[in-house]
Amino acid sequence: NAGVTQTPKFRVLKTGQSMTLLCAQDMNHEYMYWYRQDPGMGLRLIHYSVGEGTTAKGEVPDGYNVSRLKKQNFLLGLESAAPSQTSVYFCASRGYWEAFFGQGTRLTVV
Amino acid sequence: AQSVTQLDSHVSVSEGTPVLLRCNYSSSYSPSLFWYVQHPNKGLQLLLKYTSAATLVKGINGFEAEFKKSETSFHLTKPSAHMSDAAEYFCVVTSNAGNMLTFGGGTRLMVKP
Repeated sequence: NAGVTQTPKFRVLKTGQSMTLLCAQDMNHEYMYWYRQDPGMGLRLIHYSVGEGTTAKGEVPDGYNVSRLKKQNFLLGLESAAPSQTSVYFCASRGYWEAFFGQGTRLTVV
Repeated sequence: AQSVTQLDSHVSVSEGTPVLLRCNYSSSYSPSLFWYVQHPNKGLQLLLKYTSAATLVKGINGFEAEFKKSETSFHLTKPSAHMSDAAEYFCVVTSNAGNMLTFGGGTRLMVKP
C-alpha cells in the first residue's frame, strides 16, 4: 500500500518550459489536492478535485492547470514556468476525515 | 470563508518542558480542525483531529489539543518535549462544504537539549 506517490521528486526547469507533476493514490479517495509550500506561508491550495472528472480552483491557481481523468491520478501542469513557481509542491488525497500527503516535489525554475 | 492563524512562527523549548503551539481559526460554521507535523524534508503526518465529538483530542506521540469554540482556538500541547519533536507544525481547518483544507502559516518548534 503506497498511499500517495508524487513524481518526480526533484526538477529544474528553465523559464518558459512546461512540465507535468503526477500524483497517484491507491486509497480510492474522492478528494485530491495540490498545494505549494513556500517559506513562512504554510501550504497554499492551488487546485483540488472532489471526484473523477472534476477540478476546482484553490487559493493560488494562476499559472497552473490540472486534470483528473482517472480517480487515482491528479495531474498538475505548468504550461510556461516562471521563477515565481519555484516551490515545493505537495499532493494530498482525502477520505472522510484525514488527508494523506505525498513526499513532495521540489521544483526550481531558473 | 475560513482562515487559520498560528500565533507563533517559531517556538523554542528545552527538552522535558511543556510545549504550547497556538492556533486560532475563523469560521462561520462548526469546522473540523487538524494538526499536522512536518519533519525536515519530509511530507506531512496527521497528529490529531477534531470532528465535533470530544473537545479534548488526543493524538500521537503524546500530543493533545483542546477545541474552544468561545475562543475560536485549537491549541496544541504536550507535557514534556522530546528532541524528536523538533519539526514544523500546521493547524488546518476544513471549509463549510468540507471539500477544502486551509493551512495556517506553520510553527517551527525547536527543542534544546
